[in-house]
Amino acid sequence: AQTVTQSQPEMSVQEAETVTLSCTYDTSESDYYLFWYKQPPSRQMILVIRQEAYKQQNATENRFSVNFQKAAKSFSLKISDSQLGDAAMYFCAYRSAWVRRSGTYKYIFGTGTRLKVLA
Amino acid sequence: SQTIHQWPATLVQPVGSPLSLECTVEGTSNPNLYWYRQAAGRGLQLLFYSVGIGQISSEVPQNLSASRPQDRQFILSSKKLLLSDSGFYLCAWRHLRTGGDEQYFGPGTRLTVT
Repeated sequence: AQTVTQSQPEMSVQEAETVTLSCTYDTSESDYYLFWYKQPPSRQMILVIRQEAYKQQNATENRFSVNFQKAAKSFSLKISDSQLGDAAMYFCAYRSAWVRRSGTYKYIFGTGTRLKVLA
Repeated sequence: SQTIHQWPATLVQPVGSPLSLECTVEGTSNPNLYWYRQAAGRGLQLLFYSVGIGQISSEVPQNLSASRPQDRQFILSSKKLLLSDSGFYLCAWRHLRTGGDEQYFGPGTRLTVT
């Protein structure tokens, strides 16, 4: 079974600084996606960034970028120029390969990292 | 555009009472739908998912059940709630498009079992 591990329950960063959130996963599949989701105090889940496993190039979305190390099964999120609005819970997620018996894909989430941004 | 709704937003129920949480999606047809529970310190736990009417896959066979009576409606139920059922319940819709595959989430239901 696939697992996603976020070993940092909480992180802090000074405004305008850079922070990296860690995520490791375990799988025997070769076809999968990885995601980072943000959950602000409103609790609405927001997609931050997506990485396809077959792509070697690390995904980037404005101030957010990932370091995808497929062999090490590591998928970290780097937030540059941190802003107060970045304060939230961040979840790493894994999308499985096609599940034949159910006809779709499964998504597995980590336990989250709470990011605090200090003014 | 697509929108996902959850009802109710907040619910307080006594132990042993039944439960029915509703999720509806607008602006798309034949969506893949998912139910998650978020408990403190445990992240999002996948409970059920469905590819169509009457088709339910279960990940956590506790005292919860799910049903898909209509194409864009997904319901989470329980006959008798336990204290451990307390949590934040999220419904999600899987969006497959060119260049991407992601889930969009509803606003959630906060359930407190007393």
